[in-house]
Amino acid sequence: GQQLNQSPQSMFIQEGEDVSMNCTSSSIFNTWLWYKQDPGEGPVLLIALYKAGELTSNGRLTAQFGITRKDSFLNISASIPSDVGIYFCAGQQGGSEKLVFGKGMKLTVNP
Amino acid sequence: SQTIHQWPATLVQPVGSPLSLECTVEGTSNPNLYWYRQAAGRGLQLLFYSVGIGQISSEVPQNLSASRPQDRQFILSSKKLLLSDSGFYLCAWTSRRYSPLHFGNGTRLTVT
Repeated sequence: GQQLNQSPQSMFIQEGEDVSMNCTSSSIFNTWLWYKQDPGEGPVLLIALYKAGELTSNGRLTAQFGITRKDSFLNISASIPSDVGIYFCAGQQGGSEKLVFGKGMKLTVNP
Repeated sequence: SQTIHQWPATLVQPVGSPLSLECTVEGTSNPNLYWYRQAAGRGLQLLFYSVGIGQISSEVPQNLSASRPQDRQFILSSKKLLLSDSGFYLCAWTSRRYSPLHFGNGTRLTVT
């Protein structure tokens, strides 16, 4: 089935550093979403992107819908300990009722 | 506002026993409903989804089944659990195509 290539798979950073992660695909997506999952909980939506080229911010988070519609990135600025968790990208293609998820990026923030 | 309820939060079951996990959504009508499984804290595997009452699409052939007896109720079942059924099961809903998916808090299933 369709796959999203999410990278990096994990990051270890110091508090205050910025983080960048991205997802790429060989196919076009109509929607790109970014989720964060805390241990033992369900993923929570961070940012939703609906238009190619769209750049959206949510506090310290910034995400962009790639102009080719085949990629997206998420940046976290000035990381804090509560940013720890697994970040997932997800995309939805035209005519599909399903989201395709990346494999996740595990973020560790050292105080 | 819409909320999703999923229970139980944790479950330990012996091999060969039946399974029933329930998910309900409040505050919306005719949602799309989804069951995912997550192994080892990584990777979300879509198991089933439903676009309406009695309509179930299966993504992965396996030991599980799903049913949607009511508009906002989605049930994941098994007649006989296998060790490989252990994992973190997540229910999710969306109000329409291209709108974000919203997840429940999950059920941690351990098959012993």
